[in-house]
Amino acid sequence: GAVVSQHPSRVICKSGTSVKIECRSLDFQATTMFWYRQFPKQSLMLMATSNEGSKATYEQGVEKDKFLINHASLTLSTLTVTSAHPEDSSFYICSARDNRGLDEQFFGPGTRLTVL
Amino acid sequence: GESVGLHLPTLSVQEGDNSIINCAYSNSASDYFIWYKQESGKGPQFIIDIRSNMDKRQGQRVTVLLNKTVKHLSLQIAATQPGDSAVYFCAENNYGQNFVFGPGTRLSVLP
Repeated sequence: GAVVSQHPSRVICKSGTSVKIECRSLDFQATTMFWYRQFPKQSLMLMATSNEGSKATYEQGVEKDKFLINHASLTLSTLTVTSAHPEDSSFYICSARDNRGLDEQFFGPGTRLTVL
Repeated sequence: GESVGLHLPTLSVQEGDNSIINCAYSNSASDYFIWYKQESGKGPQFIIDIRSNMDKRQGQRVTVLLNKTVKHLSLQIAATQPGDSAVYFCAENNYGQNFVFGPGTRLSVLP
């Protein structure tokens, strides 16, 4: 149990285009999901906390108008990178917290974004 | 041995030896800690967790030690295997807030 999926697993896009990444909790409900970004050989950096039915909470330095988050249901959160640029190329990872009150976060497999 | 610098700290161990990966956490109020394993190109995978009311917890081949006095966490892997090669992150959590990840340590298992 406690599986989180991400789609797509890998995406290559042209500079200036927008890319949507989906994060799904497959066998549990998650009011709260998290989006992380990870650059090569670095740790995971929290970008934002996604809350079902309300606005996401962004970490300092993360542009909310560039990284649009929509948490429309208890099993789905989406991250849209708008007007992507090469510096946005990174590994994007989501995690979800089970509504049953477990502290652990369950991570998705990640999405590799390359902006040309 | 360990190396720290511009690159991710790396710990190299012989297959069959025990590994000890260390982590210093930042928030003395953190009450929950997790060790994650991340293989190249994949998301983090849960290994073991520990709460602040404990100082040791054992799993299968892994042990986590918590020293709250010096805000130090360690992960011990017994009889290290090639499949253990990965980057290991510690993560701290403060009463249900988001997790904060450490910088990570790359474990390299030598044949």
